[in-house]
Amino acid sequence: AQSVAQPEDQVNVAEGNPLTVKCTYSVSGNPYLFWYVQYPNRGLQFLLKYITGDNLVKGSYGFEAEFNKSQTSFHLKKPSALVSDSALYFCAVRDSRGSTLGRLYFGRGTQLTVWP
Amino acid sequence: EPEVTQTPSHQVTQMGQEVILRCVPISNHLYFYWYRQILGQKVEFLVSFYNNEISEKSEIFDDQFSVERPDGSNFTLKIRSTKLEDSAMYFCASSPGGTTGANVLTFGAGSRLTVL
Repeated sequence: AQSVAQPEDQVNVAEGNPLTVKCTYSVSGNPYLFWYVQYPNRGLQFLLKYITGDNLVKGSYGFEAEFNKSQTSFHLKKPSALVSDSALYFCAVRDSRGSTLGRLYFGRGTQLTVWP
Repeated sequence: EPEVTQTPSHQVTQMGQEVILRCVPISNHLYFYWYRQILGQKVEFLVSFYNNEISEKSEIFDDQFSVERPDGSNFTLKIRSTKLEDSAMYFCASSPGGTTGANVLTFGAGSRLTVL
């Protein structure tokens, strides 16, 4: 069964400091991994994805994520946080052997707060 | 940038009533989805729709639910005889065609349904 865990409901970080939002996953086959961000009153916006290849993927707004197969993790990172990064972040996984191209399994979300 | 639009943004209904949630996917996308998020819980897959038929549905998507693409632009979710536990944020999403599971879903802002 596919699942995603985001162990932290909230992450607080000072502006300018590095940030990490954690995600671990479970799938039967090879994972397709995604990060989405949600700002208030907006839809889930795509940040980045890992499909295959380089374990470090770069996405929008200076975010990056590192795929670690042995630890089944896909943590989201940014070297220097901005106040405007404050939002709700969702990690999602799809099994590469899944029958539906769009069925994603989401984590509960992590609320990131960057304080000035 | 193309968007998925959803209406209404918030709907309050009495238990037992029927509700229709509407979505306008991105015009050149071929796959359409509904997800929902009950307060405090994960975003959950409900159904995917392709070529005018359901391609996959979750165990949540029982006979109470139906989807339709009545014209070339709208994609609707109908919930019959609503129950208290149907209260949730409902997200519509769409994705391009192709056979790769790497397709990125674009989500709408959501429709918040409150059943009293």
